[in-house]
Amino acid sequence: DAGVIQSPRHEVTEMGQEVTLRCKPISGHNSLFWYRQTMMRGLELLIYFNNNVPIDDSGMPEDRFSAKMPNASFSTLKIQPSEPRDSAVYFCASSPILAGLTDTQYFGPGTRLTVL
Amino acid sequence: AQSVTQPDIHITVSEGASLELRCNYSYGATPYLFWYVQSPGQGLQLLLKYFSGDTLVQGIKGFEAEFKRSQSSFNLRKPSVHWSDAAEYFCAVGAGDKIIFGKGTRLHILP
Repeated sequence: DAGVIQSPRHEVTEMGQEVTLRCKPISGHNSLFWYRQTMMRGLELLIYFNNNVPIDDSGMPEDRFSAKMPNASFSTLKIQPSEPRDSAVYFCASSPILAGLTDTQYFGPGTRLTVL
Repeated sequence: AQSVTQPDIHITVSEGASLELRCNYSYGATPYLFWYVQSPGQGLQLLLKYFSGDTLVQGIKGFEAEFKRSQSSFNLRKPSVHWSDAAEYFCAVGAGDKIIFGKGTRLHILP
């Protein structure tokens, strides 16, 4: 299995630009998660999906952030407009169990986002 | 509110020495407990997890952890570390409909 795939691995953009991060979960997994990792705040859960449906987006920092999962094999996290404080590593993870939060999650390699 | 504390930001041990990484949590009921490892430039990988039953849990790469309810702890141990164990280690708590990660402990290995 290829594991969770994220693209791009690195993204450098200027403040105000739209950024789209992409994730392909492990085939057959039912839950998908987006995390943000920074030195100051550690690893934070932004949003998660069960069977392509957003369950909890309480971790999304503000309206500039949006996430979609149009099908079981693809999800996007969009930031519009981006700001320097959005600079972080964004991880996608998937889980085979709908309970998701209480079972093993498989993480992608992350996207390192730098907003200038 | 639920919380996870990893008191040690950095730990340095010599190769071949034993290791213990500390994790304390705050939660009213029995939580689900996890240890993940993150190598540089990589995502997190599960080392082991505790849901119920035997409080001593065996994981991959020779790691084990012990759940101690009375101390609200889930410390990670390894009897003899290898240079390849140098990484960042995260304790996590699944509580209700939330998962909370600790801030991580970075492990350095001396040759």
